[in-house]
Amino acid sequence: QSVLTQPPSVSGAPGQRVTISCTGSSSNIGTGYDIHWYQQLPRTVPKLLIYGNTNRPSGVPDRFSGSKSGTSASLAITGLQAEDEADYYCQSYDSSLSGYVFGTGTKVTVL
Amino acid sequence: EVQVLESGGGLVQSGGSLRLSCVASGFTFSSNFMSWVRQAPGKGLEWVSGIIGSGADTYYADSVKGRFTISRDNSKNTLYLQMNNLRAEDTALYYCAKARGIRLVNYYFDYWGQGTLVSVSS
Repeated sequence: QSVLTQPPSVSGAPGQRVTISCTGSSSNIGTGYDIHWYQQLPRTVPKLLIYGNTNRPSGVPDRFSGSKSGTSASLAITGLQAEDEADYYCQSYDSSLSGYVFGTGTKVTVL
Repeated sequence: EVQVLESGGGLVQSGGSLRLSCVASGFTFSSNFMSWVRQAPGKGLEWVSGIIGSGADTYYADSVKGRFTISRDNSKNTLYLQMNNLRAEDTALYYCAKARGIRLVNYYFDYWGQGTLVSVSS
């Protein structure tokens, strides 16, 4: 049972904008720890998508953006494409658990 | 090119043991925090354990504390996970992941291996 909560699924039509929330608490996001996001395409290894709340690694399209406020964070995908259909996970550190935590995961479906 | 390659997974009975290995290349292994992350079939990601570059400090998820031991041999660029007293709920694909960041509390995982499957029969 993760301490970072994400919606189980979100969907959108091609070209639309979707957002995925990641809700934490005062022992993780609320403490100021960074949020990172990963994309896991079907039957593949997780891939770093956003690090340090808002930064994209080289090669990640600028359609993906991250934000953080208070005890929550969000991943936005603009101009949704069929290839974006995947599972997405947020990740942070939790001071109460003294370890890293992943969100519950969100499946993005392109209609 | 950064590469991490896991091995050592398999089928084991409940209460048994396994040792996973992860060979790394393409970066200065001894300078990097490394972790194990697992994913049960059809489930999400769960961080399992981590170790600093020197090996002096180790970290564990509560679910494995006291049963799993992480270690590394920097002369062989290899990370290990000794898993004892295995339970059915430990069944998962175990990934080796390289961490990056400025502060340990803000580390993220920039390279992942393909994973090695551990199946525990009850």
